[in-house]
Amino acid sequence: QQQVKQSPQSLIVQKGGISIINCAYENTAFDYFPWYQQFPGKGPALLIAIRPDVSEKKEGRFTISFNKSAKQFSLHIMDSQPGDSATYFCAARRGYQKVTFGIGTKLQVIP
Amino acid sequence: DADVTQTPRNRITKTGKRIMLECSQTKGHDRMYWYRQDPGLGLRLIYYSFDVKDINKGEISDGYSVSRQAQAKFSLSLESAIPNQTALYFCATSFQGTDTQYFGPGTRLTVL
Repeated sequence: QQQVKQSPQSLIVQKGGISIINCAYENTAFDYFPWYQQFPGKGPALLIAIRPDVSEKKEGRFTISFNKSAKQFSLHIMDSQPGDSATYFCAARRGYQKVTFGIGTKLQVIP
Repeated sequence: DADVTQTPRNRITKTGKRIMLECSQTKGHDRMYWYRQDPGLGLRLIYYSFDVKDINKGEISDGYSVSRQAQAKFSLSLESAIPNQTALYFCATSFQGTDTQYFGPGTRLTVL
């Protein structure tokens, strides 16, 4: 049973465009929603995270939008650059327990 | 992240062999995790340990075992490797009461 559903699995975006990755969750007890970024040959690294008491969090070109009633959250990458090409994982966690990851989205930003 | 190291980085083995993947960390974290990554399946938790005496099964623990030899070391063993255990394996660490998990560089395991 997939507790965090992520889409799309792959995404191609033109340089300068907006990349959008969506996630949905089932467990309303989740209280922390991180996004991890993974470059080829590397381990994932925390990119940005949000808690359900806010609807949006922005860090530079990266924004998380959170819809608690719909149990959905999304990552927006503004002005996408070729250096953003990576795999992105959404995730969810309850308390300080184990994290549940989505299946990942492979983003390719083309010049 | 050099603070979390995994050995070996690549391993090719044959069906039925026992192998061990090792993880060491210098971050002083108390929590350690083993994940496997497969295309289309994302990151799935195999085992996790919240301290040296605490070992817990994750989503996909069958066919795997772990040992937490010290706070800084967490090993994953495949007692009798099979081809569908071919995957990319990651170790991660975190500190109790904090949010971020720090991942190692991964071990690419191929079981023939």
